[in-house]
Amino acid sequence: QKEVEQNSGPLSVPEGAIASLNCTYSDRGSQSFFWYRQYSGKSPELIMFIYSNGDKEDGRFTAQLNKASQYVSLLIRDSQPSDSATYLCAVAGTASKLTFGTGTRLQVTL
Amino acid sequence: DVKVTQSSRYLVKRTGEKVFLECVQDMDHENMFWYRQDPGLGLRLIYFSYDVKMKEKGDIPEGYSVSREKKERFSLILESASTNQTSMYLCASSDRLGGDTQYFGPGTRLTVL
Repeated sequence: QKEVEQNSGPLSVPEGAIASLNCTYSDRGSQSFFWYRQYSGKSPELIMFIYSNGDKEDGRFTAQLNKASQYVSLLIRDSQPSDSATYLCAVAGTASKLTFGTGTRLQVTL
Repeated sequence: DVKVTQSSRYLVKRTGEKVFLECVQDMDHENMFWYRQDPGLGLRLIYFSYDVKMKEKGDIPEGYSVSREKKERFSLILESASTNQTSMYLCASSDRLGGDTQYFGPGTRLTVL
């Protein structure tokens, strides 16, 4: 049974639009949540993390966490072609381990 | 900046060979991790280590072993490579004080023929 679920996509959005990426998790005791971006053939790079319910903003990126619904999302405002990548959601469980979703592929079209 | 390096970007080995993948981090992180990444399966944890000479099995340890003789270096060993171990291998490190944020190396694309 998967512990972190993401829609595989592709999610296609026009340039300048808002991209909304979603993730659900099964472990109600999870405390830390991460979004990584992975370009094709490259390794994952951290975009942002969130620990508390609510929104956290960093530039064009906003992470949203709802622990009651076991739901975390990433919004990308003013999407650019360079945002085209796979976005991985990760959840911290026990002992500093992260459980990753399989990722959502985002395509930003011109 | 955290820097995690891996010994090879691409590696081709034959079935039955012993394969060593090395990972080095320069931020004095306690925790180090080895993952493999396959299409449709995402990142799967093979082994991890919290400290020198400590190791813990991850979700898919079969066919692999690890070594951590020094804090900055974590090696993944394929004792007898098989074709189903063809994959992208990713090393990561994290700090106990860093809130579990993991930083990844560039990855090694291993092909076993």
